[in-house]
Amino acid sequence: SAVISQKPSRDICQRGTSLTIQCQVDSQVTMMFWYRQQPGQSLTLIATANQGSEATYESGFVIDKFPISRPNLTFSTLTVSNMSPEDSSIYLCSVSFGTSGNDEQFFGPGTRLTVL
Amino acid sequence: AQSVTQPDIHITVSEGASLELRCNYSYGATPYLFWYVQSPGQGLQLLLKYFSGDTLVQGIKGFEAEFKRSQSSFNLRKPSVHWSDAAEYFCAVDSSYKLIFGSGTRLLVRP
Repeated sequence: SAVISQKPSRDICQRGTSLTIQCQVDSQVTMMFWYRQQPGQSLTLIATANQGSEATYESGFVIDKFPISRPNLTFSTLTVSNMSPEDSSIYLCSVSFGTSGNDEQFFGPGTRLTVL
Repeated sequence: AQSVTQPDIHITVSEGASLELRCNYSYGATPYLFWYVQSPGQGLQLLLKYFSGDTLVQGIKGFEAEFKRSQSSFNLRKPSVHWSDAAEYFCAVDSSYKLIFGSGTRLLVRP
């Protein structure tokens, strides 16, 4: 299994500003993902964080709005840029040790973001 | 496109009663299916998964799920619910190692 920490755990931000969320894993992992969970909604995949290269974004998500870094096998960041109230969500990092579809994804505790 | 449907938004059961949470999926090939639980203020925890073999899958915390290809279903069950089971439950299907989640079912447990 993996122990995942996210920083910050929550934040309240003003519209137009940016917030960077960190995801730290206690062991080297193959895959890292970022999900968004809007209030009362399910989880939606934002992107796959690729080590040493640009992240792979899902439809509806763009790099300018959600830049992602992954400098090594245990760490990734997600930035929410030029925030608006619609960005108020829980942002979750997840990891897996393999690349197969049946590999378990382990989730971090999430970062609860409120944009005023 | 792959999708997951959880038709029940909320379910309330009495403590000690049995539970079944419904999940239907749309997927072209043999799916990899998962059930996750999200307790208040916590991240997601994997309850169980199915990817091949026996269609009845046992998970943690006394949960089980049955894969029924003919019905495109993967319903979660528990014979006797405990108050600590109150949480949000998500069914998910793998799509090229990415997870597609259902909308979730919130379980409320009556004392």
